[in-house]
Amino acid sequence: GENVEQHPSTLSVQEGDSAVIKCTYSDSASNYFPWYKQELGKRPQLIIDIRSNVGEKKDQRIAVTLNKTAKHFSLHITETQPEDSAVYFCAASNMAGTASKLTFGTGTRLQVTL
Amino acid sequence: KAGVTQTPRYLIKTRGQQVTLSCSPISGHRSVSWYQQTPGQGLQFLFEYFSETQRNKGNFPGRFSGRQFSNSRSEMNVSTLELGDSALYLCASSSHLTGEGFRGYTFGSGTRLTVV
Repeated sequence: GENVEQHPSTLSVQEGDSAVIKCTYSDSASNYFPWYKQELGKRPQLIIDIRSNVGEKKDQRIAVTLNKTAKHFSLHITETQPEDSAVYFCAASNMAGTASKLTFGTGTRLQVTL
Repeated sequence: KAGVTQTPRYLIKTRGQQVTLSCSPISGHRSVSWYQQTPGQGLQFLFEYFSETQRNKGNFPGRFSGRQFSNSRSEMNVSTLELGDSALYLCASSSHLTGEGFRGYTFGSGTRLTVV
């Protein structure tokens, strides 16, 4: 089955700096890669996703890049703000067919300091 | 529109008991998935239902089961509870599972189960 590794497990950056979180996946059939943000005590929220037919996607301060050959994808947050502090999870899924599941990475705790 | 609703928010049960958790998806969403979140294991897939049929199942013992009703609401049941079942159980709904129509999974706030 699919295996997703995520690094780093914790990340501390100063406000205004950039943060990068990296994930690798094992199943070459995976074609959908979402990123979720989970604040303490709250539900995971989808912040951005990318499909395998796209190499990069951007939404304001957040961007995701995908390298299918190397089977890794990354989340980039620019101009970090204190409200970006949360746990971020990457996930991978094969969206082909009629059923799928998300395989999650172990999460990255991002702390943005003033 | 209303989000994914999970009830109850908190549960305390004793070892050996059973528990039923409920999830109401976003209106119009027909797919419901369940995940277990623990500090040690992270987010792990339990099962997924679509149109009242289980279409995918994770690597959990048979004590974990679920079902989906005709209105897309779903329940999961855990029998013979063990201490290790203590976790946050999250439900996620989506409208389409394939193609460009897919808009991702929306999670509920979860049910925190504590087994004592």
